[in-house]
Amino acid sequence: QSALTQPASVSGSPGQSITISCTGTYSDVGGYNYVSWYQQHPGKAPKLMIYDVNKRPSGVSNRFSASKSGNTASLTISGLQAADEADYYCSSYTSSSTWVFGGGTRLTVL
Amino acid sequence: QVHLVQSGAEVKKPGASVRVSCKPSGYTFINRHLHWVRQAPGQRLEWMGWLNAGNGDTKYSHNFRGRVTITRDTSASTAYMELRSLTSEDTAVYYCARLSGYSHDFWGQGTLVTVSS
Repeated sequence: QSALTQPASVSGSPGQSITISCTGTYSDVGGYNYVSWYQQHPGKAPKLMIYDVNKRPSGVSNRFSASKSGNTASLTISGLQAADEADYYCSSYTSSSTWVFGGGTRLTVL
Repeated sequence: QVHLVQSGAEVKKPGASVRVSCKPSGYTFINRHLHWVRQAPGQRLEWMGWLNAGNGDTKYSHNFRGRVTITRDTSASTAYMELRSLTSEDTAVYYCARLSGYSHDFWGQGTLVTVSS
């Protein structure tokens, strides 16, 4: 199972919005509404930010939103804050009853 | 509240095996699946496999070519991940994570496994 494709890095200034893409195939992202997004700060465990394509767990800011079109999912962070600087990973359930993660995107807040 | 506590760091020689434990609390152990995910230094998250803590069923990533086994001890409410025939490429932080629906809602603190001669 190949990793889902994410841009290696994105950046934005405080207050701006950024979008991170996550591209898979019809066997994972495109075939199921089971895409998740995780935030990971250095040396920490990942934190669930989005599940089932566009749902936010309790406690996650509504500045985080997500969507999916075809084989590509997207995470948007609005009103960028310094604390948002982290690595972001997408993940999807697959047709093999396995899971696959993306390559990760480093978000830099300028 | 839910917590997943993992065993401590390990240093192993090439060719050896390692077993990492994961003990959840704050929910009924047998009611949820547990997954294992690893992250080599500076690298991406890599999914390894899952365990149905209720009946012991497992599913593994083909990337590990039969080297990984996930088990559980229901009396201890603990899950285990064993990885065999270690090489330096297996040096990584290994995480257990609880599955909720189709996403991983709670994660362990991670266990660093270092493979070095």
